[in-house]
Amino acid sequence: EVQLLESGGDLVQPGGSLRLSCAASGFTFNTHSMTWVRQAPGKGLEWVATASYITESTYYGDSVRGRFTVSRDNSKNTVYLQMNSLRTEDTATYYCAKNNVPGSSRGALDFWGQGTVVTVSS
Amino acid sequence: DIQMTQSPSSLSASVGDRVTITCRASQGIGYYLAWYQQKPGKVPKLLIYGATNLQSGVPSRFSASGSETDFTLTINSLQPDDVATYYCQRYNTVPPLTFGQGTRLEIK
Repeated sequence: EVQLLESGGDLVQPGGSLRLSCAASGFTFNTHSMTWVRQAPGKGLEWVATASYITESTYYGDSVRGRFTVSRDNSKNTVYLQMNSLRTEDTATYYCAKNNVPGSSRGALDFWGQGTVVTVSS
Repeated sequence: DIQMTQSPSSLSASVGDRVTITCRASQGIGYYLAWYQQKPGKVPKLLIYGATNLQSGVPSRFSASGSETDFTLTINSLQPDDVATYYCQRYNTVPPLTFGQGTRLEIK
């Protein structure tokens, strides 16, 4: 059974930093790209970042590029999202999700974690 | 960037109705389109991938069609459990993985 467990969400002040983690199990982690998606309160889904199954390849949405860093540790079956220079508009539930096509950076998101809440406020 | 536009933004239908939601891409994306269902307070769930392929475990009353720029999600015989917001998402290129703005479905 595929499981994705996010952690690290918290209340942080504007300008602060936070690192989210997503521990994966139930599938061959190192063959699947992993994606972070966020959802601000009452809003739609926004793609944040993707860590390719090839660990050196990462991709970012325009609103987070230069501030967020996605990485993965295939030995720990974990993907991370380092968030720096946080803004109030980064307040959201952050989901990690598994791409459904092994060996590709493209793919639909077939399994999602329960999400972790990040609140940026003074 | 390719934009994804869903219509309608919201709709209300009766139990047993056939419901259609549309997603339009500003440029051709082939069959690289997914549909997700997000029930209130819940995690998004993959319904359709590759524009027309039903994800395992999804009821057969859900179906989808389309390619390149025009896509539809159809729910045959609407059930109360189908109350949710539905999102399309393109994944023909990375980056970005663009979502539509969502369609909120309610029961009359």
